[in-house]
Amino acid sequence: GNSVTQMEGPVTLSEEAFLTINCTYTATGYPSLFWYVQYPGEGLQLLLKATKADDKGSNKGFEATYRKETTSFHLEKGSVQVSDSAVYFCALGVNFGNEKLTFGTGTRLTIIP
Amino acid sequence: NAGVTQTPKFQVLKTGQSMTLQCAQDMNHNSMYWYRQDPGMGLRLIYYSASEGTTDKGEVPNGYNVSRLNKREFSLRLESAAPSQTSVYFCASRKKILNTEAFFGQGTRLTVV
Repeated sequence: GNSVTQMEGPVTLSEEAFLTINCTYTATGYPSLFWYVQYPGEGLQLLLKATKADDKGSNKGFEATYRKETTSFHLEKGSVQVSDSAVYFCALGVNFGNEKLTFGTGTRLTIIP
Repeated sequence: NAGVTQTPKFQVLKTGQSMTLQCAQDMNHNSMYWYRQDPGMGLRLIYYSASEGTTDKGEVPNGYNVSRLNKREFSLRLESAAPSQTSVYFCASRKKILNTEAFFGQGTRLTVV
């Protein structure tokens, strides 16, 4: 079956530090990969996505590259801000008749001024 | 621009009581989902509906029922609530085409005492 393994948290960084949150997956078929962000008290919102191998998704200074050879989709940001404090979820979706979306357990990120 | 709307936002139930969580989307999406979010366990799929008139079990369907009332609405029912069902519940919807992301509601925080 499909699964997503995400870096355990919580992660605490100082402002302007470099961020990496690891995500690896197993899937049958050809998955699309997503990073979602959840701010306190809110639902999940899409941060970025990649739909095929070697694609790079990017948004708000965050980036992730779809690596088929290592089955990974690590989230990176060069310089984090306090406003980036949130929970981050890696997810995959497989099409062609399977409508399920599979999520990782989430990584809580706290940025200290 | 409502997106996905869930009601209620908060609810406290006594063990054995029943209730229905409501979800509606205005994006003309075919697929709809119910997830629960628990600390350390990420998002787990309860049920999903790939199209109007169809529903399928996810990872954790026991104790729940769903109804896809029409294309817009997908409700989740707890027939006899248990403390183990204390959680935050999220509804999501998605277009039924390749590589699309899901859109989430704001969540319902349910406490069963």
